[in-house]
Amino acid sequence: GAGVSQSPSNKVTEKGKDVELRCDPISGHTALYWYRQRLGQGLEFLIYFQGNSAPDKSGLPSDRFSAERTGESVSTLTIQRTQQEDSAVYLCASTPLLVDHEQFFGPGTRLTVL
Amino acid sequence: GNSVTQMEGPVTLSEEAFLTINCTYTATGYPSLFWYVQYPGEGLQLLLKATKADDKGSNKGFEATYRKETTSFHLEKGSVQVSDSAVYFCALSESNFGNEKLTFGTGTRLTIIP
Repeated sequence: GAGVSQSPSNKVTEKGKDVELRCDPISGHTALYWYRQRLGQGLEFLIYFQGNSAPDKSGLPSDRFSAERTGESVSTLTIQRTQQEDSAVYLCASTPLLVDHEQFFGPGTRLTVL
Repeated sequence: GNSVTQMEGPVTLSEEAFLTINCTYTATGYPSLFWYVQYPGEGLQLLLKATKADDKGSNKGFEATYRKETTSFHLEKGSVQVSDSAVYFCALSESNFGNEKLTFGTGTRLTIIP
């Protein structure tokens, strides 16, 4: 079946602009994670959604970052007033909760802030 | 907090050589441990995992043993192939009310030459 998809695959924006990144999880996966990978670094956790429960936003680096997810469907990550340090690959992962602990990753969105 | 330290790369080996990529971790509880791999042009995917001490994860000829006494999860393969060229990430998770957010190492780029 279809895997996790993300769009756009690449995004170039100017400093100060807002961007919206989209993640379509695998159908039936209740949990969804966003991670960020800056150049030469490991992935950093940003936010976790599980069904209709309150999300874990503990990894969001600033209040310019926000994310939404309705139920078990699409999620969007929004970065307002982008800064150059926001340049990174943003990865989304989904998982069927409590089964095998495996997270299934999307291909990522490469964000470049000029 | 949790952290993962893995061997810095890049690592270059000849085909059929023995591979070890070191990984150590710091965690407050009893984490699950993972190796994820990213092949050129592809998304991040799970290679193997171990969920408790002394467990051995294995897949595609790779192995790693969860060593609680040394807080390590080193990746090994007896005879590497050109197709093993990829970036390898060690990671851990500790379940918190179903939230299994991953903490990653910085990744090790492996290149196998024929």
